[in-house]
Amino acid sequence: DVVLTQTPPTLSATIGQSVSISCRSSQSLLHSNGNTYLNWLLQRPGQPPQLLIYLVSRLESGVPNRFSGSGSGTDFTLKISGVEAEDLGVYYCVQSTHAPLTFGSGTKLEIK
Amino acid sequence: EVQLVETGGGLVQPGRSLKLSCVASGFTFSSYWMYWIRQAPGKGLEWVSSINTDGGSTYYPDSVKGRFTISRDNAENTVYLQMNSLRSEDTATYYCAKTGLNYWGQGVMVTVSS
Repeated sequence: DVVLTQTPPTLSATIGQSVSISCRSSQSLLHSNGNTYLNWLLQRPGQPPQLLIYLVSRLESGVPNRFSGSGSGTDFTLKISGVEAEDLGVYYCVQSTHAPLTFGSGTKLEIK
Repeated sequence: EVQLVETGGGLVQPGRSLKLSCVASGFTFSSYWMYWIRQAPGKGLEWVSSINTDGGSTYYPDSVKGRFTISRDNAENTVYLQMNSLRSEDTATYYCAKTGLNYWGQGVMVTVSS
């Protein structure tokens, strides 16, 4: 199975600060069809996860554009440009290029 | 508006069974693969099962293979998870999700304890 390693496990940020989360895969996530099926999710406290970014860098409808994704192959990054209070929660990367679906261990974002 | 509503959770003794349901609305259910994903208390997300559009292909991790069965009824826009021989380590919130992970249910809690 593909292992996704997320760093850091926790992140503390002030409002307005920009932060990045890394997700490294144990193998390339480039599918034979040319797509890279790497998504980013946010799980706010007491809520189900919600999709932020799909296909590495595409912003899900309704998600603020302070969120951005980048990367290729095995290295991916989620950036929040100007953290807001509502961004607190746990961020997960998830891949569906290779069965089975696998998730990173999560990065908890705390607001200082 | 897309909705996924899970039901069927609860407290069950080890070794017993439970069946979860997830009713979908707001999208063409029969056109999409569906997932069950779980989250143990205070832990991360774990894929539990997948089913293709017509229900003819199903997939499981080793941790639940042989004990859990996913199925769907496209006429009722519902996906099910039959869970047998439950263990304490199956205690979790269970979510159904549409392929693409752009829609999730609110989750249903399953507690396996004597």
